[in-house]
Amino acid sequence: AQSVAQPEDQVNVAEGNPLTVKCTYSVSGNPYLFWYVQYPNRGLQFLLKYITGDNLVKGSYGFEAEFNKSQTSFHLKKPSALVSDSALYFCVPFISGTYKYIFGTGTRLKVLA
Amino acid sequence: DTGVSQNPRHKITKRGQNVTFRCDPISEHNRLYWYRQTLGQGPEFLTYFQNEAQLEKSRLLSDRFSAERPKGSFSTLEIQRTEQGDSAMYLCASSLGGSAGELFFGEGSRLTVL
Repeated sequence: AQSVAQPEDQVNVAEGNPLTVKCTYSVSGNPYLFWYVQYPNRGLQFLLKYITGDNLVKGSYGFEAEFNKSQTSFHLKKPSALVSDSALYFCVPFISGTYKYIFGTGTRLKVLA
Repeated sequence: DTGVSQNPRHKITKRGQNVTFRCDPISEHNRLYWYRQTLGQGPEFLTYFQNEAQLEKSRLLSDRFSAERPKGSFSTLEIQRTEQGDSAMYLCASSLGGSAGELFFGEGSRLTVL
């Protein structure tokens, strides 16, 4: 079955520190993976995606993600967190052939001043 | 604003009433998706369209739910005989054709069933 897991419901990090939001996936075939962010009372916004190629993907707002095929992981990272990064983050596999995007329950990131 | 537009933004209704939500996607996008999100959960897939064709419908969607996309432009999601369990945020997203395109989301329509 196609699925995604974000093992941490919430991640707390101090402003200026590096952050990691974890994601593991289970999809058949080549994985296409996205990260989306949801700020309070705002729509979901695209951060970055992995289709093929370099395992380190750079995205919006200084975020990047590392694709690891052997560990079936796609962790989101940022070298220096900002308070404004506090939001709900979703790792989203795209299921080719069905054109469906699968959302998990997300990880709430809280950056403390 | 040329993003995805959803209306109404908030709808309060009494149990048993019918409600309809509208989504206007980005004009050149031929794929359109509906998701439902409840508090503390991620968006759940409901249905999607390629142009005017509804290609898949989730088992979450009971017979009380129907979606259309006439002429492959805007889409409507209708819920008949609403129940309190239908209270949620209904999200619309669109994307260009091709594989694994970026989804562009609207700000959602929040339904409250009393």
